[in-house]
Order: sequence, then C-alpha cells, then structure tokens
Amino acid sequence: DSGVTQTPKHLITATGQRVTLRCSPRSGDLSVYWYQQSLDQGLQFLIQYYNGEERAKGNILERFSAQQFPDLHSELNLSSLELGDSALYFCASSAISGTDFTGELFFGEGSRLTVL
Amino acid sequence: TQLLEQSPQFLSIQEGENLTVYCNSSSVFSSLQWYRQEPGEGPVLLVTVVTGGEVKKLKRLTFQFGDARKDSSLHITAAQPGDTGLYLCAGDTDKLIFGTGTRLQVFP
Repeated sequence: DSGVTQTPKHLITATGQRVTLRCSPRSGDLSVYWYQQSLDQGLQFLIQYYNGEERAKGNILERFSAQQFPDLHSELNLSSLELGDSALYFCASSAISGTDFTGELFFGEGSRLTVL
Repeated sequence: TQLLEQSPQFLSIQEGENLTVYCNSSSVFSSLQWYRQEPGEGPVLLVTVVTGGEVKKLKRLTFQFGDARKDSSLHITAAQPGDTGLYLCAGDTDKLIFGTGTRLQVFP
C-alpha cells in the first residue's frame, strides 16, 4: 500500500461526458502528479501540483483540467470525453518540492476510465 | 512527445537467464529512476541514479547511469518469475518523464 488513494477505481462512461477523478496523497506529501497510461503510449505526464499551485505541465489536453485543494487532495477533470481518452489515470505523490526528482514518487492504484 | 526510448519492448525468458534493459534519450537528465509496475498496481520505485557513470546494485539487479547522463541500463542476473512486470525508466528534466516501458515475462 503506497498510501496514495485514488477513486473511482473503475469508471465507464459515454463519449461527450465529463468525469472527475480524485486523488488523496500520502500524509504529509505536498506534491501531486497525474499520469495517463494507455497501451500504445506508455506513461504520459499530465500535470504536477505543489502545495496547491501548478508546478509543471505536460501533454495535458485543453479538455482536461486539474487542481489541488487546501487539504492537498487533487482532482483531475476530463470533459467532452472521446474514445481515445480511455486509459489508466495514475496519481502519484511525493515529499519533494519543486522539480527535484531524486526523491521517490508513490503511485496510487489508478483509475481505469473506459469511454464507450 | 516521448523522450525516453526503452528496448526491448517485450522480453520473454526462462528462469535463470540474464537480461539487460536499455533506456536511451538524446536529452541529458539530472537524475534517472527505474520503476517496476505489476498488473493492477501503480509503478514502484526500484532505484534512483544521479551521477554520470554511477552503478547501483539491488540484489540481482544492477543499474547503470551513462557517463553523459543520457542513458541507463538495468541488468537482471538469474531472473526469477517474481521479476515479471513492466519496467519503466523515468528521467528528470523539468518534469519526470517516463520511458516507453519493457514488459518482462519470466517463465519457471
């Protein structure tokens, strides 16, 4: 158990819909990261937050947005869903600040999104 | 855009064999990590290397960071079925970028 909690574990929805994925980081971790994992593209970095502020941005679509709340949990919002958005979405947290990655990222078990 | 290429993409071997997985990039990384991911779970950190030329050993696993800090390798000696999983390298630029992954299957 990594200490990172993601909900829901599985989600099935239709094209055009909107979903919200939630992540609770490990106790005390200030950084939260979101990654998308699909079969043909590996693990793609979406976005990082540190203590409520956006710290780094990757290949996140404009239809996707995220935020980190004062209690440090984070939500990833996916809207106008397309078939190609079907993937595993991972949240990770770490105690490190900024963009120093010599520390460990702890991953949740992921949220599997299926868009029909 | 994927900056880290891993090879091979798939590897299926018998228990007791040795193997090497490569992680290559044209970019220089401040540090590089290796993770292992098992089905239904998130990646778990195996090691972090930060110095060019650095070699780290973790039981039967040997990790090396290239002198120019653009590449890395993971060598497993006498593979066991418990080594089965997806191996991911991850490089630190201004964000942590993951490689394309190597799926390892070790048969008893």
